[in-house]
This record gives sequence, structure tokens and C-alpha cells, in this order.
Amino acid sequence: QVQLQESGPGLVKPSETLSLTCTVSGGSISSYYWSWIRQPPGKGLEWIGYIYYSGSTNYNPSLKSRVTISVDTSKNQFSLKLSSVTAADTAVYYCARLAAAGIPPGHWGQGTLVTVSS
Amino acid sequence: EIVLTQSPDFQSVTPKEKVTITCRASQSIGSSLHWYQQKPDQSPKLLIKYASQSFSGVPSRFSGSGSGTDFTLTINSLEAEDAATYYCHQSSSLPQTFGQGTKLEIK
Repeated sequence: QVQLQESGPGLVKPSETLSLTCTVSGGSISSYYWSWIRQPPGKGLEWIGYIYYSGSTNYNPSLKSRVTISVDTSKNQFSLKLSSVTAADTAVYYCARLAAAGIPPGHWGQGTLVTVSS
Repeated sequence: EIVLTQSPDFQSVTPKEKVTITCRASQSIGSSLHWYQQKPDQSPKLLIKYASQSFSGVPSRFSGSGSGTDFTLTINSLEAEDAATYYCHQSSSLPQTFGQGTKLEIK
């Protein structure tokens, strides 16, 4: 059974870059799409974007200028970078696996809370 | 961007009751509508994909229907463990979007 685990700093200062990694275990990162989704405290879900294991990406236009998703197949990991963060970027960040681009994620990580504050 | 509007925002129900949650899309999305259950401090769990297909391991009391712009999640014979927030999600066009959520409270 595939498992996903997010990791990274829980506190980021305003204007800095948020960096998170999702480690995939129990299966290969190859042949799948990998997504980041976030949820501000007490609010709904927001799709950030996804990456194919080969490296092709799609991002939410509302975040596109600040987001980079990358993949490291040798480590079975993929990563999220979000630049110039503000308090509005405070959220639980989830990584998830998609079988294909339009297919809903059936496997999610447990999520990690990132707070943007000085 | 496609906007998904769920109703109701909140519902208080008794065990064994039948529950219906609706999701309306701002434009036609075919059957590319999915439903998730999220309990406090947990990640969302996929219940229904493509409007009516049950995801692996989901109890049979959960079902979905609809196409185009109007969709429904039905929970038959509600159980106490079904207390959660339910979200719809469209993957028809980018950016993918989610509904605002429906919180289900068990009396």
C-alpha cells in the first residue's frame, strides 16, 4: 500500500520561500501524477498543481507565478516551493497521488501545517 | 475557473437517516465530479469518483449521481462515524476546484 509523507519547516517568514517534500513509500513514483493541495485552517481545499513523474507540470493560475513543483525519481520524492509567502499561505499542505491527470487522488499524505509568521 | 457550490453548508441529522448533499457546477463538467469525506485532523478520503463510481473500500451506503452541472451525494442509513465534512471536486478543467464543504453533524 502506497504511503505519502510530507516534510518541511512548520514556520516560514513572510516574503520567504515555503519548501515541502513528499516522500513516497510502498510504491514507485514512476507512472503516476503527483499533486499538492492545501487547506487554510478552518477553510476548504485548494488545488495547487501536479507533476507527472517525467517532470511535466500544471499549476493553479492563481499561484502559478510563485509555485514550482519538482520530482526526484531517484529518491522517490516530489517537492513544492512557494515563493514570496504571506499570511494567506498559512495552511495544511497535502501531497497526493493521481493515477492520471484528470483522475481524483485516492491516496493522500497526512498533511503538514505551515504557518507564515515573523 | 469552474465554481462548485454545495448545499447545505451544515446539516444536523440522526443515525439511520438518509442524507443528500448537492453540488452545482457553474458550467457543465460532464461526469468529472468527485466526492471526499474529511474528518477533523485527517486528510480527505475519496468516496465517489466520476459522479457515481464508488472508490475501493467505501461502504455501500455512500452513492453518487448526476451529470453536467448538478450532482448528489447520498448517504443511506447514516452511521455515527459519518460525522465529517464532505467536499465535491471537479477535474474537468484546470484549475481543478473544490466545493466549499458540507459539515454533517450527528445528533
